[in-house]
Amino acid sequence: KAGVTQTPRYLIKTRGQQVTLSCSPISGHRSVSWYQQTPGQGLQFLFEYFSETQRNKGNFPGRFSGRQFSNSRSEMNVSTLELGDSALYLCASSPQGLPNTEAFFGQGTRLTVV
Amino acid sequence: EDQVTQSPEALRLQEGESSSLNCSYTVSGLRGLFWYRQDPGKGPEFLFTLYSAGEEKEKERLKATLTKKESFLHITAPKPEDSATYLCAVSRVQGAQKLVFGQGTRLTINP
Repeated sequence: KAGVTQTPRYLIKTRGQQVTLSCSPISGHRSVSWYQQTPGQGLQFLFEYFSETQRNKGNFPGRFSGRQFSNSRSEMNVSTLELGDSALYLCASSPQGLPNTEAFFGQGTRLTVV
Repeated sequence: EDQVTQSPEALRLQEGESSSLNCSYTVSGLRGLFWYRQDPGKGPEFLFTLYSAGEEKEKERLKATLTKKESFLHITAPKPEDSATYLCAVSRVQGAQKLVFGQGTRLTINP
């Protein structure tokens, strides 16, 4: 059974640009969550999608947005990139989402903003 | 505000030297406590979920336990391949459904 797939694995962008990250969940999983991981703040929740609807949102500015498609694949977009957006962005999928099922993570996309 | 605190931040052990990692939590209505392992440059790998105080789960050299205030990850006779960062996270019964993570314990096992 294939795991969670995130693309691309690495990205280098310039301040002010925008970026789109992609996540393909485990087959049959309908919930996709996104997290940002930095050395200083650790893992922080961005948002969660279930059946193409955003169900939960973390405390990030509106520059961070996402969407989910009918096949459960999800994309995350960051506009007007700042140096502080450099991080490992992780996607997690679960069958029904929390609180009843576990979340399984992808390998992440390493974003560097210069 | 839900909080998860892990200790120690870093731990170095000799191969075969058993020890425990701690995860203290404050959450309004705990639904589940999760342990993950993360290798450098990779995503967290799911290890265990614990749902109620007194529950224990084992996997190879790892055993996780849960009380009303904290969880322990016991590692018995560790090997160098057990070196990783171990992350603890909690979810709640009601409210925003998300994982709240601790900062992790970086474990190094020397041969």
